[in-house]
Amino acid sequence: QKEVEQNSGPLSVPEGAIASLNCTYSDRGSQSFFWYRQYSGKSPELIMFIYSNGDKEDGRFTAQLNKASQYVSLLIRDSQPSDSATYLCAAIPISSGSARQLTFGSGTQLTVLP
Amino acid sequence: SQTIHQWPATLVQPVGSPLSLECTVEGTSNPNLYWYRQAAGRGLQLLFYSVGIGQISSEVPQNLSASRPQDRQFILSSKKLLLSDSGFYLCAWRAGSSGNTIYFGEGSWLTVV
Repeated sequence: QKEVEQNSGPLSVPEGAIASLNCTYSDRGSQSFFWYRQYSGKSPELIMFIYSNGDKEDGRFTAQLNKASQYVSLLIRDSQPSDSATYLCAAIPISSGSARQLTFGSGTQLTVLP
Repeated sequence: SQTIHQWPATLVQPVGSPLSLECTVEGTSNPNLYWYRQAAGRGLQLLFYSVGIGQISSEVPQNLSASRPQDRQFILSSKKLLLSDSGFYLCAWRAGSSGNTIYFGEGSWLTVV
């Protein structure tokens, strides 16, 4: 079982709609969760991180964490064509110790249609 | 502010040739450093991490090795490349053991032919 799983997509939404990206994790002890955006041929860039249950909002982005269900999501409101990218979910498993390395999902490809 | 540099950006190497990818971080001390690889259409696979000079941990057995000769320098090497080593290699850093967020360098595209 993969430690972090995402639907690979592709996910297509019209411009202005809400895009919903989902992620589940298997290590119940995971403490911190991250969403990265990766444009084709580029390195990942951090969008948001979330540590506590509930919602965290930053501009058009909202991250949601439900530790009981081991579920993390990212909502993108008012989606723009420039949001078209692959979105990577990542977690720090409790087994990582002091290194605190991230374990990544395989990513969800999002296309926002003009 | 902290920055991370990675080079070369792109390289094409024949099978059996050596490899050296370098990464340096500026503006921070004692960072945790990481090498990830991303095969075409795949997620990021952790290859090596380092919590200090000379301290290297390997996550995946393979023909690659890593070294950390200085606090803010991380090197990925191979003596003989395989076709399966092709991919996008990413160096990343975290602010020591207390930081939570990992930041990536620009990446190095390696094609083994």
